[in-house]
Order: sequence, then structure tokens, then C-alpha cells
Amino acid sequence: QVQLQESGPGLLKPSETLSLTCTVSGGSIRSYYWSWIRQPPGKGLEWIGYIYYSGTTNHNPSLKSRVTISVDMSRNQFSLNLRSVTAADTAIYYCAREYGDARHDYGGIIDYWGQGTMVTVSS
Amino acid sequence: DIQMTQSPSSLSASVGDRVTITCQASQDISDFLNWYQQKPGKAPELLIYDASNLERGVPSRFSGSGSGTHFTFTISSLQPEDFGTYYCQQYDFLPYTFGQGTRLESK
Repeated sequence: QVQLQESGPGLLKPSETLSLTCTVSGGSIRSYYWSWIRQPPGKGLEWIGYIYYSGTTNHNPSLKSRVTISVDMSRNQFSLNLRSVTAADTAIYYCAREYGDARHDYGGIIDYWGQGTMVTVSS
Repeated sequence: DIQMTQSPSSLSASVGDRVTITCQASQDISDFLNWYQQKPGKAPELLIYDASNLERGVPSRFSGSGSGTHFTFTISSLQPEDFGTYYCQQYDFLPYTFGQGTRLESK
């Protein structure tokens, strides 16, 4: 059974960089897409971006160029960096696994999720 | 971005009821549509993928249908563990986008 676990600081100040790591256990990071999704308190879900095990990435343009997603296959981990955070970035951050339909060259079906980690941005 | 509009936003129902939620896409997304259930304090769980395919281990009382821009999610006989919030999500176009959610509560 694949399990994902997020780790990282829960409190940041405005303008700092959010850095989260997701550790994958019970399966290899190879051959899947690995993504980050966030949910502001009491609100809906926003896809942040994914990384393929080969290193190919894609992210939500709404976050402009603040996002970097990386993978460490030797540790079965992938990471999120979100620069210049503001209060609007306060949310529960989930890491997740995606796989795709053969009709696309990316993922999209999100079948495993981490438990989520709350990140608060406040001065 | 593709806009996904769910209705209703909230719904009160009783155990044993048949429940239907709809999801409308702002443009044709073929059948690239998934449904998730989220319970309070928990991560979402995949129930239906590609509009009508039941994820492994998900009870058969859950079903989905539709293609193009109009999709339907149905619970044939509501069980106590089914209360929570349901989201649709399209992945025909990047970025993936979710509906705003439908909160299913006990009547």
C-alpha cells in the first residue's frame, strides 16, 4: 500500500519560502506523476503542480513563477518550494500521486494522497 | 482555465436516499472527469475516474456518468459513512481544476 507523508514548517512569515517534502513509502517513485495540491481553510482544492519521476514538471500558472518542484529518487521523496509567500498561501498542503490516461502525456487521476500539512503565513 | 461548476453546493439527505450531484465544465472535457470524497480533517479519496469508472475498493452504490460538459455523480442508497464533501475534477486541460464542492449532510 502506497503511503505519502508531508513534512516541513507549519508557520512562515510573509516573503519567506515555503519548503515541503513528501516521503513516499510502500512503492517506488518511478513511473508516476507526483503532485502538490492545497486547500485554504474551509475552501476548495487547488492543484499546484506535478513532477514526473524523470524530472519533467508542470505547475499552475496562477502561482506564476513562485513554484519549484523537485524529486530525489534515491530517497523516494519529492519537494515543493513556494517563494515569496503571503497570507493567501495559508492552506493545508497535500502531496499526492497521479497517473494518467494513455490519451494524455501527463497525469490527472489522483489516487493516493498524503494526510496533509497545515501551513500558516502570518507576521 | 476550465471552470467546473457543481450543484448543489450543499445537500441534506437521509440514509437510504438516492443522491445526485452534477458537475458542469466550461468547455468540452470529453470524459476526463474524476470524483472525490472528502471527510472533515481528511484528505480527499478518489471514487470515480474517467467519468464512470469505479476506483478499486469503492462500493458499487457510487456511480458516475456523462461526457463533454455535463456530468452526474450518484449514490444509489446513502449510507451513514457517505456524509462529507464531494468534488469533481477535470484533467483534460492543464491546470487541473476542481469544482467548488458539494457538502452532503444528514437531514
